[in-house]
Amino acid sequence: KAGVTQTPRYLIKTRGQQVTLSCSPISGHRSVSWYQQTPGQGLQFLFEYFSETQRNKGNFPGRFSGRQFSNSRSEMNVSTLELGDSALYLCASSVTGGNNSPLHFGNGTRLTVT
Amino acid sequence: GENVEQHPSTLSVQEGDSAVIKCTYSDSASNYFPWYKQELGKGPQLIIDIRSNVGEKKDQRIAVTLNKTAKHFSLHITETQPEDSAVYFCAAPSTSGTYKYIFGTGTRLKVLA
Repeated sequence: KAGVTQTPRYLIKTRGQQVTLSCSPISGHRSVSWYQQTPGQGLQFLFEYFSETQRNKGNFPGRFSGRQFSNSRSEMNVSTLELGDSALYLCASSVTGGNNSPLHFGNGTRLTVT
Repeated sequence: GENVEQHPSTLSVQEGDSAVIKCTYSDSASNYFPWYKQELGKGPQLIIDIRSNVGEKKDQRIAVTLNKTAKHFSLHITETQPEDSAVYFCAAPSTSGTYKYIFGTGTRLKVLA
């Protein structure tokens, strides 16, 4: 079974631009979560989607948004990029997304904002 | 729980020795505790997990123990090998909202050959 696939692997953008990251979950997994990983803050929850509905959102500004499609694939968007948005963005899928449902992570998208 | 503390932040062991990483959580209602291993350039990989109805779980050289009374859980790696070198994260479900995990700050394990 294929794992979680994230594209692209690397992105370099300048301040003020916007970016879209993509995630394909493991087949059969209907929940997709996004996390931001930085050396200073560790792994921080961005949002979680299930059946195209956002069920929870982390403490991030409105510039961070996401969506999920009917095939469970998900995208996240960051508008008006800031230097502090430079991070590894990780997507994780799980069967149900419930608190007992293990997360399976992709290898992330490394975003660098200059 | 909302807060997960992880110690130590770095750990160096000689090949063949054991390594132990400890995490403490704050919410007594938490009932599922996964451990992840992250290698350079990759995402975190689930290596073992434990549910609150058991006190210990083993998978070859890896084991996890849970003490619900003290609200802490630990990862034990025996007979360490160089390929065990990585960053390890513990996690627990959030209490402030569902469908979210709180992660520990990570432990960088170095296995010295």
